[in-house]
Amino acid sequence: EVQLLESGGGLVQPGGSLRLSCAASGFTFSSSAASWVRQAPGKGLEWVSTISTGGGATSFADSVKGRFTISRDNSKNTLFLQMNSLRAEDTAVYFCTTSGGGTYFDNWGQGTLVTVSS
Amino acid sequence: EIVLTQSPATLSLSPGERATLSCRASQSVSSYLVWYQQKPDQAPRLLIFGASNRATGIPARFSGSGSGTDFTLTISSLEPEDFAVYYCQQHTNWPITFGQGTRLELK
Repeated sequence: EVQLLESGGGLVQPGGSLRLSCAASGFTFSSSAASWVRQAPGKGLEWVSTISTGGGATSFADSVKGRFTISRDNSKNTLFLQMNSLRAEDTAVYFCTTSGGGTYFDNWGQGTLVTVSS
Repeated sequence: EIVLTQSPATLSLSPGERATLSCRASQSVSSYLVWYQQKPDQAPRLLIFGASNRATGIPARFSGSGSGTDFTLTISSLEPEDFAVYYCQQHTNWPITFGQGTRLELK
């Protein structure tokens, strides 16, 4: 069974940092591109970042470019999102996703809530 | 950035009825259009990829059509579990973008 399990969310002050992790199991993680998608409370879905299978290529939404970093450790089947200089507007549930084919999201984790507030 | 506009924002229907949801792109996305279903407090679920291909395990009552800028998700006969929010997403250009969603509610 495919599983993606996020962790690392929580309450952080504006300007602070958090590192999200996503543990993958039940499939060949190293063969899938991986992404983070977020959803602010009561709002729609927003793509955040994508990393290629080997980690050599990354893309970011303009709203997080320069503040967030995506990485992966295929030996540990884990995806990461390092979030720096956090703002109130980064408050959202962050979903870990994978892409087996094109850049769409066929597997999703349950999400981890990040709240940026003083 | 490609903007996806979904309509209607809310659709009120009864079980057994046919649902037609629309997604319009601000420029051509070819067939690089997917649909997701999201129920309250759950992660989204992939329904349709490549504009018209059902994902694994998706019932045949769900179908997708369209290409270029105009796309449709059709649910032929609504089941109680189909009442949810539906999103379209394009992946032809960066940044990846989603529509704002259509809420399918019980009438």
